[in-house]
Amino acid sequence: NAGVTQTPKFQVLKTGQSMTLQCAQDMNHNSMYWYRQDPGMGLRLIYYSASEGTTDKGEVPNGYNVSRLNKREFSLRLESAAPSQTSVYFCASSEWEEANEKLFFGSGTQLSVL
Amino acid sequence: EDQVTQSPEALRLQEGESSSLNCSYTVSGLRGLFWYRQDPGKGPEFLFTLYSAGEEKEKERLKATLTKKESFLHITAPKPEDSATYLCAVQSPGTGFQKLVFGTGTRLLVSP
Repeated sequence: NAGVTQTPKFQVLKTGQSMTLQCAQDMNHNSMYWYRQDPGMGLRLIYYSASEGTTDKGEVPNGYNVSRLNKREFSLRLESAAPSQTSVYFCASSEWEEANEKLFFGSGTQLSVL
Repeated sequence: EDQVTQSPEALRLQEGESSSLNCSYTVSGLRGLFWYRQDPGKGPEFLFTLYSAGEEKEKERLKATLTKKESFLHITAPKPEDSATYLCAVQSPGTGFQKLVFGTGTRLLVSP
């Protein structure tokens, strides 16, 4: 059971370059999320999708765009990368499960912007 | 504004030396408090959800407790494989995971 799969695992970009981070889940979850994790800070929500066809901004959306391609896939795009976007990015999905809500995370993408 | 503070930032234990990690929170109301474990280079992995003061949950050597102001993650007789960063997060009433507020974590190292 794969769970939440993210690609790529590592990426180095130059300032101004663009790229898309891919995420797919095989748990039939309605909700999906993109977080970033920086040293000394808690996980911060970039964008989320409550269900297929909807997306909403989180705490730190500037410089990012998302696409909920279908129920399984939720991608994050950096149109013009900046050094401040150097971070570890996590995709997650959630569903109510046996009276215990849970977030399931992917293994992350380590992004460096030079 | 909801806030979560975890302490200590880092903790080094000898194998078998029990201890506790703290998660203090400030919220207008608590819907749920979550504990996650994160190994280096991996995403967080769910451990527990606590919903009301006085609630306790256990899993192997871990036990999570909740009061109206804080949660503790007690680790009994830890083993080296318990080494990880432990994250705490709080959820306010009427919100989904889009309003989840995470702490910065406690890095636990258990030496043989």
